[in-house]
Amino acid sequence: QVQLQQWGAGLLKPSETLSLTCVVYGGSFSGYYWTWIRQPPEKGLEWIGEINHSGSTNYNSSLESRVSISGDTSKNQFSLRLTSVTAADTAVYYCARRTQLRNWFDPWGQGTLVTVSS
Amino acid sequence: EIVLTQSPATLSLSPGERATLSCRASQSVSSYLAWYQQKPGQAPRLLIYDASNRATGIPARFSGSGSGTDFTLTISSLETEDFAVYFCQQRRNFGQGTKLEIK
Repeated sequence: QVQLQQWGAGLLKPSETLSLTCVVYGGSFSGYYWTWIRQPPEKGLEWIGEINHSGSTNYNSSLESRVSISGDTSKNQFSLRLTSVTAADTAVYYCARRTQLRNWFDPWGQGTLVTVSS
Repeated sequence: EIVLTQSPATLSLSPGERATLSCRASQSVSSYLAWYQQKPGQAPRLLIYDASNRATGIPARFSGSGSGTDFTLTISSLETEDFAVYFCQQRRNFGQGTKLEIK
C-alpha cells in the first residue's frame, strides 16, 4: 500500500522560501503525477502543481512565478519550493498522487502546517 | 477555469438519516468528478472517483451519481464517523466543501 510522508519547516518569516519534501513508500514513482495541494485555515483546497517521473511539471498560474516542484526518482521523493512567502501562503500543505490519465488524488500525505509570520 | 459549487454549505442531520450533497460544475466535466471526505486535522480521503465509483475500502453506504454539470454524493444511512467536510474535485479544481454536522 502506497504511503506518502512529508516534512519541512513549519514557521517562516515573510519573504522567506517555503520548502517541503514528500517521500513515496511502497510504490513506484513512475506512471504518476506527484502533486502539491494546500488548504488555508478554515478554507478550501487549492491545487499548487505537479511533477511526473520524467520531470515534466505543471503549475497553478496564480503561483507560477514563485513555485517550483522537483523530483528525485532515486529517492522516490519530490519537493516543493515557494519563494517570497507572505501571510497569504499560510496553509496546510499536502502532497498527493494522481495516476496518469486519471483525475483524482489518492493517497495523500499527512499534511504540513506552514505559518508565515513576522 | 471550471468552477465547482457545492450545496448546501452546511447540512445538519442525525445518525441513521440519509444525506444528499450536491456539486455543480460551471461547464460539463463529463463523469470526471471525485468526492473526498475530510475530518478535522486529517488529510482528505478519496471516496468516489469518476462520479460513481467507490474507492478501495469505502463503505457501500457512500454512493455517487451524475454527469455533465450536476453531481450528487449520497450517504444512505449516516454513521457518527461520517460527520465531516466533503469536497468535490475535477482535475485541478475543488469545490468549497459541505460540512455535514450532527443535528
